Amino acid sequence: DVKVTQSSRYLVKRTGEKVFLECVQDMDHENMFWYRQDPGLGLRLIYFSYDVKMKEKGDIPEGYSVSREKKERFSLILESASTNQTSMYLCASSGTGEYSGNTIYFGEGSWLTVV
Amino acid sequence: AQKITQTQPGMFVQEKEAVTLDCTYDTSDQSYGLFWYKQPSSGEMIFLIYQGSYDEQNATEGRYSLNFQKARKSANLVISASQLGDSAMYFCAMREGQDSGAGSYQLTFGKGTKLSVIP
Repeated sequence: DVKVTQSSRYLVKRTGEKVFLECVQDMDHENMFWYRQDPGLGLRLIYFSYDVKMKEKGDIPEGYSVSREKKERFSLILESASTNQTSMYLCASSGTGEYSGNTIYFGEGSWLTVV
Repeated sequence: AQKITQTQPGMFVQEKEAVTLDCTYDTSDQSYGLFWYKQPSSGEMIFLIYQGSYDEQNATEGRYSLNFQKARKSANLVISASQLGDSAMYFCAMREGQDSGAGSYQLTFGKGTKLSVIP
């Protein structure tokens, strides 16, 4: 069974803390994504990566960075957490080549609260 | 301009009735894909149905069907015989540029529609 695993389901962090959200996939996928989800705004892309050590900014990269040192792992980093980064974060992965329906897989989400 | 527009923030439907969730999209690409996801309160994103821009027939998956009207750029989700377990957020999403290489595998999402099924 395919799997995208996010390391933390629920986190509470203080303003100014450095926060790491980890995502691991076991499907040997090239592409990995970090989305942020807020009520009334849907999912917005923060960063994505199409290969190891490669990264591209999404629609809302400000305040975030990412790391992809290994193919299976894609980390989202909040250098100095702020209260407006309180949100639900979703990781996803997909392969290349086949262009069809169920080829994008999501993790279960990480609920981050910054106090 | 929004690439994916879902105009219904919330919808109610009687159990066993059919319901249509609206989605319009905006793209200049000839090749693209349209997705619908269901997100229960637990937060997981559940893939429901996919329509490719070159697919001539509307996609169907069990009780889900996608009413694809290419000229109108609409991709409405139809759920037949609603069940209480269908109560959730529903997101329409698009993937553009199949042949654009890097970055062409990301999804752009609408803001979602919250569906409530009434017993």
